[in-house]
Amino acid sequence: AQSVAQPEDQVNVAEGNPLTVKCTYSVSGNPYLFWYVQYPNRGLQFLLKYITGDNLVKGSYGFEAEFNKSQTSFHLKKPSALVSDSALYFCAVRDPHSGAGSYQLTFGKGTKLSVIP
Amino acid sequence: NAGVTQTPKFQVLKTGQSMTLQCAQDMNHNSMYWYRQDPGMGLRLIYYSASEGTTDKGEVPNGYNVSRLNKREFSLRLESAAPSQTSVYFCASSEAPGAETQYFGPGTRLLVL
Repeated sequence: AQSVAQPEDQVNVAEGNPLTVKCTYSVSGNPYLFWYVQYPNRGLQFLLKYITGDNLVKGSYGFEAEFNKSQTSFHLKKPSALVSDSALYFCAVRDPHSGAGSYQLTFGKGTKLSVIP
Repeated sequence: NAGVTQTPKFQVLKTGQSMTLQCAQDMNHNSMYWYRQDPGMGLRLIYYSASEGTTDKGEVPNGYNVSRLNKREFSLRLESAAPSQTSVYFCASSEAPGAETQYFGPGTRLLVL
């Protein structure tokens, strides 16, 4: 079974400082990993994904994430946080080799990011 | 190009009532999904449709039924609503089953009294 953990319910960071939102995963094979962002009263928006290739993945709005297979992690990062980055961030995992369940995305519980002016 | 649309945006039901949540996408996607979002639980997959004419259960299918009406539309039905089904429901679509990126609708907020 696949699972994903976001160990922090909330992350606070000052505007202009670097930010990190943590994610660890568990799958039996090689994972597909995703980050989504949700603004208040909105649906989820895709930020970035790791399928294969370079471990450092760049996505929308200046975000990036690093796939670390040995630590089973896929942390989301941004060099300089903006107040407008304040939102709920979800990590998701899919195991493409898990048979009938391989279409399913499993989401973490979400991390609320607050960027303080 | 509206993407994924959902109706209604908000609904209040009494226990035992039934209702259908509607979802449509205009991106010519083959696959569609229904999730529920509960505080502290993330999103959980209820049902999905890998392609027109097929539907499959997700993680939490009990109490729900779905219909893939055509390629564009995927509805979720609650036959006898229960307070435990109070949640925010999101529909999503993707180009193909298991394709990397899912596109989400704005959600339907459901309150069951």
